[in-house]
Amino acid sequence: GAGVSQSPSNKVTEKGKDVELRCDPISGHTALYWYRQSLGQGLEFLIYFQGNSAPDKSGLPSDRFSAERTGGSVSTLTIQRTQQEDSAVYLCASSLRAGEDTIYFGEGSWLTVV
Amino acid sequence: AQSVSQHNHHVILSEAASLELGCNYSYGGTVNLFWYVQYPGQHLQLLLKYFSGDPLVKGIKGFEAEFIKSKFSFNLRKPSVQWSDTAEYFCAVRGNTGKLIFGQGTTLQVKP
Repeated sequence: GAGVSQSPSNKVTEKGKDVELRCDPISGHTALYWYRQSLGQGLEFLIYFQGNSAPDKSGLPSDRFSAERTGGSVSTLTIQRTQQEDSAVYLCASSLRAGEDTIYFGEGSWLTVV
Repeated sequence: AQSVSQHNHHVILSEAASLELGCNYSYGGTVNLFWYVQYPGQHLQLLLKYFSGDPLVKGIKGFEAEFIKSKFSFNLRKPSVQWSDTAEYFCAVRGNTGKLIFGQGTTLQVKP
């Protein structure tokens, strides 16, 4: 596609349920990032995929959070047993490579846990 | 560890005033540096970037930033702000592993 695509754009879920957020990066982009933006907060790094290398998971806040990237393209961020503090906008970004390339952001998935 | 610090959390200016937003980073190797802007209700947009070469980079909408390697800084400037510049501004650093880290953001409010 023309840009980074994320779905769903909005998700309301009950506390304790699992959610999956999808990111479809720009075709051919090997680097993919996930961030979390809470109300009034900055962008919190979650996880970073680069090609076939092991992902950098250093930003995942707890073991309830996980992410996969299948076939080097689409990525899914999964949050298990959601809590109210997980409510945030989850942003995905991609770039052609990890080096000197512009990073493009999707419009985000707004998650509300009630 | 890689980190980014933005000194100003909330800046209020009148139209036509000059702007400088501070950004300092911590990283031991080669970096790529970015400033992103998020207008109210919109998604992140790239303002400008530094990869190599001239440390003074110009971006969209009259913004510029200067990379000062000795100070680990990448401050954003604009000579004369407009009401439409009201937004949140994020500095970001990418190290040689490709990991991109953002600062906490600075909210700019421009009064007409």
